[in-house]
Amino acid sequence: AQTVTQSQPEMSVQEAETVTLSCTYDTSENNYYLFWYKQPPSRQMILVIRQEAYKQQNATENRFSVNFQKAAKSFSLKISDSQLGDTAMYFCAFMKHDADKIIFGKGTRLHILP
Amino acid sequence: KAGVTQTPRYLIKTRGQQVTLSCSPISGHRSVSWYQQTPGQGLQFLFEYFSETQRNKGNFPGRFSGRQFSNSRSEMNVSTLELGDSALYLCASSLEFIWGNSGNTIYFGEGSWLTVV
Repeated sequence: AQTVTQSQPEMSVQEAETVTLSCTYDTSENNYYLFWYKQPPSRQMILVIRQEAYKQQNATENRFSVNFQKAAKSFSLKISDSQLGDTAMYFCAFMKHDADKIIFGKGTRLHILP
Repeated sequence: KAGVTQTPRYLIKTRGQQVTLSCSPISGHRSVSWYQQTPGQGLQFLFEYFSETQRNKGNFPGRFSGRQFSNSRSEMNVSTLELGDSALYLCASSLEFIWGNSGNTIYFGEGSWLTVV
């Protein structure tokens, strides 16, 4: 069975700093998707970034980028020039290529301090 | 355009009762999926519907069920409620298949808070 582990329950950084959230996963699959979702205090979930396992190039979306290490089964999220609006719970998620279900990590609560 | 709408936002039920939660996806979206979020278990996938058919299902007992109507609105039902069912239930909608295509955006509602006493 697939599992997703986020080892940092909570983090705090100063505004404008760079922060990295870690995520590791366990799977025997070769084709799969990985996601980072942001859940702000409003509770709505927002897709931050997506990575297809067959792509070696790390995905980037503006200030958000990932470090995808397939062999190590690691998928960390880097937030550059952090902003107060980045304060949220961040979930790492895994989905097999046939997409029968999605597995979430338990989340990392990120606080951006002014 | 209007976002994903979930009703009710808050509700309290007694053990043994049943509850129905409703989700109205963004207009034109055909895929709706449901999730349970609790402090202990985190965020867990319940099921996904696409064009009125359940396509995928997470590891939840049969007490959890759902359906989707022809207008893509979806309902989730939990029967014989247990204290452990207290959670935030999130619904998400997407234009096409919920997780698959690159560039596909998934929109979540604000959730329904269920408390079982």
